[in-house]
Amino acid sequence: EVQLVESGGGLVKAGGSLRLACAASGFTFHNAWMTWVRQAPGKGLEWVGRIKGESDGRTTDYAAPVKGRFTISRDDSKNTVYLQMNSLKTEDTAIYFCSKYDWNDEDHYWFQSWGQGTLVTVSS
Amino acid sequence: DVQMTQSPSSLSASVGDSVTITCRASRSVSNYLNWYQQKPGKAPKLLIYAASSVASGVPSRFSGSGSGTDFSLTISSLQPEDFATYFCQQSFTTPAFGQGTKVEIK
Repeated sequence: EVQLVESGGGLVKAGGSLRLACAASGFTFHNAWMTWVRQAPGKGLEWVGRIKGESDGRTTDYAAPVKGRFTISRDDSKNTVYLQMNSLKTEDTAIYFCSKYDWNDEDHYWFQSWGQGTLVTVSS
Repeated sequence: DVQMTQSPSSLSASVGDSVTITCRASRSVSNYLNWYQQKPGKAPKLLIYAASSVASGVPSRFSGSGSGTDFSLTISSLQPEDFATYFCQQSFTTPAFGQGTKVEIK
């Protein structure tokens, strides 16, 4: 059974930093593409970024609002993906979910497994 | 970037009703379209992938259709556990979600 468990959320002042972690189990982690999705209070889902698996070079991609401030990394020896958040803004306040890409033979992907989320609150 | 627009933003329905939620992409995404259900305080749950394939364990009353720019999610006979918020998400390029449709009890 796939399990994803986020940690590291909390209260931080604007301009500060925070690192989230997502511990994974139940699947072959090192080649899995992992992603972070956030949800501001009462709002919709927003893709934050993703990191490819080992066989695809572990490259990263980010949404425009976080590019240059957030960094996704992974430690395959610990089956963990991280989200380093710097220069935080009040608009980054959200629940942050991690998920994994699932694929079919036609290169469709979707997010079937999700963590429970961790709340990040950025105060002014 | 491909933008996703859902309609309506909310709807009220009764148990047993059939409801349809629509999702429009700003340009063609072929059939690279997924649907999720989210209940308060919970993570999203995958319902439909590749526009019309029902995810494992999802009841058959959920169905998806469409291709190109216009898609729909239909719940054929609403059950009490279906009152939730539904999101579409395109997987043609970097992921983008619709703004959500809240299905409430009439």
